[in-house]
Amino acid sequence: SQQGEEDPQALSIQEGENATMNCSYKTSINNLQWYRQNSGRGLVHLILIRSNEREKHSGRLRVTLDTSKKSSSLLITASRAADTASYFCASRRGGANSKLTFGKGITLSVRP
Amino acid sequence: GAVVSQHPSWVICKSGTSVKIECRSLDFQATTMFWYRQFPKQSLMLMATSNEGSKATYEQGVEKDKFLINHASLTLSTLTVTSAHPEDSSFYICSSEPGTSGSYEQYFGPGTRLTVT
Repeated sequence: SQQGEEDPQALSIQEGENATMNCSYKTSINNLQWYRQNSGRGLVHLILIRSNEREKHSGRLRVTLDTSKKSSSLLITASRAADTASYFCASRRGGANSKLTFGKGITLSVRP
Repeated sequence: GAVVSQHPSWVICKSGTSVKIECRSLDFQATTMFWYRQFPKQSLMLMATSNEGSKATYEQGVEKDKFLINHASLTLSTLTVTSAHPEDSSFYICSSEPGTSGSYEQYFGPGTRLTVT
């Protein structure tokens, strides 16, 4: 079953603005991952944050994790039209080869 | 990064027929593969975990006799949708991760869109 909840469900911003997406989960986790999906395509891994980490950066991406609140946020800075996609958080309770539990996803539209 | 392929990318079949979808890890050995189903504008729902050389583990509510999974080698897992019906129309995606990467990052196939008429 899906345990993650993202908000907002849909987000529309202007190119150049920052986009912040939030995710909550229900159980203890080993790590939390964010993925991106372009319409009708497979998923692309963006960033992973472990349960003992609080913040991580990768290029224009910044992810935070608050295990006390069971929540994570993904910030995309200086957004581009090409960032238009659906974004999913996925939590993982175990280590290698354990299953991911996906959130419902956020549809991001970046207007040129 | 590691590459996972799926075949076919799309398929249309008639109600009552069976369809096989292949998932291959191209540059790593995959002892475990995951099969997901995604309906339009919805998230991914895990259907089953496929383990090389053993029986798959199905999620609650997924009929194992309808969705047959075979993971006969370290690079190939197949999902067969038996006696397909229109409600089985969906986007099916597989994923896996290199066991030696230590990164816990899963790599996803491009997906297979199944339409049952």
